[in-house]
Amino acid sequence: DQQVKQNSPSLSVQEGRISILNCDYTNSMFDYFLWYKKYPAEGPTFLISISSIKDKNEDGRFTVFLNKSAKHLSLHIVPSQPGDSAVYFCAASTSGSRLTFGEGTQLTVNP
Amino acid sequence: NAGVTQTPKFQVLKTGQSMTLQCAQDMNHEYMSWYRQDPGMGLRLIHYSVGAGITDQGEVPNGYNVSRSTTEDFPLRLLSAAPSQTSVYFCASSYLVTGAYEQYFGPGTRLTVT
Repeated sequence: DQQVKQNSPSLSVQEGRISILNCDYTNSMFDYFLWYKKYPAEGPTFLISISSIKDKNEDGRFTVFLNKSAKHLSLHIVPSQPGDSAVYFCAASTSGSRLTFGEGTQLTVNP
Repeated sequence: NAGVTQTPKFQVLKTGQSMTLQCAQDMNHEYMSWYRQDPGMGLRLIHYSVGAGITDQGEVPNGYNVSRSTTEDFPLRLLSAAPSQTSVYFCASSYLVTGAYEQYFGPGTRLTVT
């Protein structure tokens, strides 16, 4: 039972344009959501997070949107840069006890 | 700070062999965890610990043992390796106040079981 799903295995965008990565979840008990970024041969690194009491959180070029009624969150990267090319994992947690990850989306930003 | 370190980086085992994947952190983090990453499945939690002497099972614990005798170290033991345990293993840590949030990950161990 995949409680966190990223339905797009890959996404390709042009440099300077917006990248939108999507994530859906099924467990209504999730109260915190995170995005991690992973480069090849490295461990994931934390990117941005959002609590379930908010619907938007922004950090520089990165914005995460949460739609609780649709059980959907998205990560917007504006403007996209070639260095953003990586695998992005969506993750969710209930009260901080553990993280449940999605399958990941490979983002490629073309110069 | 070295952060989270994992050894070895690569390992090949034969079916039935045992081994220990090492994980250490120098950030005085109470929370430590082990994940495995498989294609198309994201990262799945194997075991985690909220402090020395305390461990708990994650999503996929079968075939793995852990112990936490110190704050710094959290080794993962494969008791009798199976081809299904071929994967990339990541160790992670964080402060207990942040729980599983915003974990720092090690570089990973790529394990192949033949």
